[in-house]
Amino acid sequence: DAGVTQSPTHLIKTRGQQVTLRCSPKSGHDTVSWYQQALGQGPQFIFQYYEEEERQRGNFPDRFSGHQFPNYSSELNVNALLLGDSALYLCASSLGQFSMNTEAFFGQGTRLTVV
Amino acid sequence: ELKVEQNPLFLSMQEGKNYTIYCNYSTTSDRLYWYRQDPGKSLESLFVLLSNGAVKQEGRLMASLDTKARLSTLHITAAVHDLSATYFCAVDIITGNQFYFGTGTSLTVIP
Repeated sequence: DAGVTQSPTHLIKTRGQQVTLRCSPKSGHDTVSWYQQALGQGPQFIFQYYEEEERQRGNFPDRFSGHQFPNYSSELNVNALLLGDSALYLCASSLGQFSMNTEAFFGQGTRLTVV
Repeated sequence: ELKVEQNPLFLSMQEGKNYTIYCNYSTTSDRLYWYRQDPGKSLESLFVLLSNGAVKQEGRLMASLDTKARLSTLHITAAVHDLSATYFCAVDIITGNQFYFGTGTSLTVIP
């Protein structure tokens, strides 16, 4: 079992550009959540995808969007990048959107640097 | 807005000593998670606490949950250098693994 995999591991972009990050969930999981972790802070919830739809969203602007594919993998897109978007982006997968006892597993993250 | 606060933010302790990290949260939740994060790495799940009074232990770490006090503790017994890391608590209030993370506690164990 490969666990949760994210790509790429590191990325450098210029302000104003757009970026796409990818996540493959753990085998058997159908729910993907994305988090942003700025340096020295705890992760912050961006949004969650289940059945190919955005189900929950945190306090992030519309520049942050996503998609979930039929195989449950997911993409996070960020448009018009700002310096403040520099962070570690974590993907978490779990089984079932509202399962009481499921556990979430995190990927290794994508380190995005905006210059 | 839900707040999850940890203290201390930074902890330096000698090997062999005991200490407790505290996690307070501001709204009702029966689900509390503890994660460990090494520098530049992802989050490693340590404990999942799903009910009031839950206590779990793994090696030198023990976690507990008091939902009435909205408080969780992570107790470290006889610390060793390998425990040096940042520890996060996370609260899930919408039963969908939408976590609200604490600020983190950076632990350094000194030989």
